[in-house]
Amino acid sequence: EIVMTQSPATLSVSPGERATLSCRASQSVSSNLAWYQQKPGQAPRLLIYGASTRATDIPARFSGSGSGTEFTLTISSLQSEDFAVYYCQQYNSWPPLYTFGQGTKLEIK
Amino acid sequence: QLQLQESGPGLVKPSETLSLTCTVSGGSISSSSYYWGWIRQPPGKGLKWIGSIYYSGSTYYNPSLKSRVTISVDTSKNQFSLKLRSVTAADTAVYYCVYGSGIWFDPWGHGTLVTVSS
Repeated sequence: EIVMTQSPATLSVSPGERATLSCRASQSVSSNLAWYQQKPGQAPRLLIYGASTRATDIPARFSGSGSGTEFTLTISSLQSEDFAVYYCQQYNSWPPLYTFGQGTKLEIK
Repeated sequence: QLQLQESGPGLVKPSETLSLTCTVSGGSISSSSYYWGWIRQPPGKGLKWIGSIYYSGSTYYNPSLKSRVTISVDTSKNQFSLKLRSVTAADTAVYYCVYGSGIWFDPWGHGTLVTVSS
């Protein structure tokens, strides 16, 4: 099973600043990596797929990069609605076995 | 726009079977070339993929749950379902139904909390 490790566990950033979240895979997942945002009491929402493609209606301040084992989610200028928990998720195996990182909580500094 | 809604008992006794249904609206469950699946999240914890059923009828499960899980589709009702047998307190979680591309999951249902307790 591919293990996804996110860092840091908690990130404190001021509104208007940039946030950089990391996700590492225990083995290469190519570009088969997605990012989700989850707010309290809500289901996760797809932000990024294919490591760098924004999902429908996702603001341009969200960007993803990386391939292989190292991935980054960047939020260029934090808005109040961006403070949430972010998860990365990989798919690179057959038969399918999808795994998620443990999450990074983005909190207001 | 595709929408998913979970339904089922919020309380299940230990050793019994957890049964949930996901109703799909905004699209036909039988016309999709992608797949339908379930993901769960214990309170305060992370996400775990349970399994998926493809439009072809093929099913794939997380190996850690495979011996206890069945996912099936009812095309006449535009629904798919999850059955998890022999539950314990460790199966207490919010259960989400999802639509998947093969790589990512979108959209998700709102989720339903299932508590395993006597």
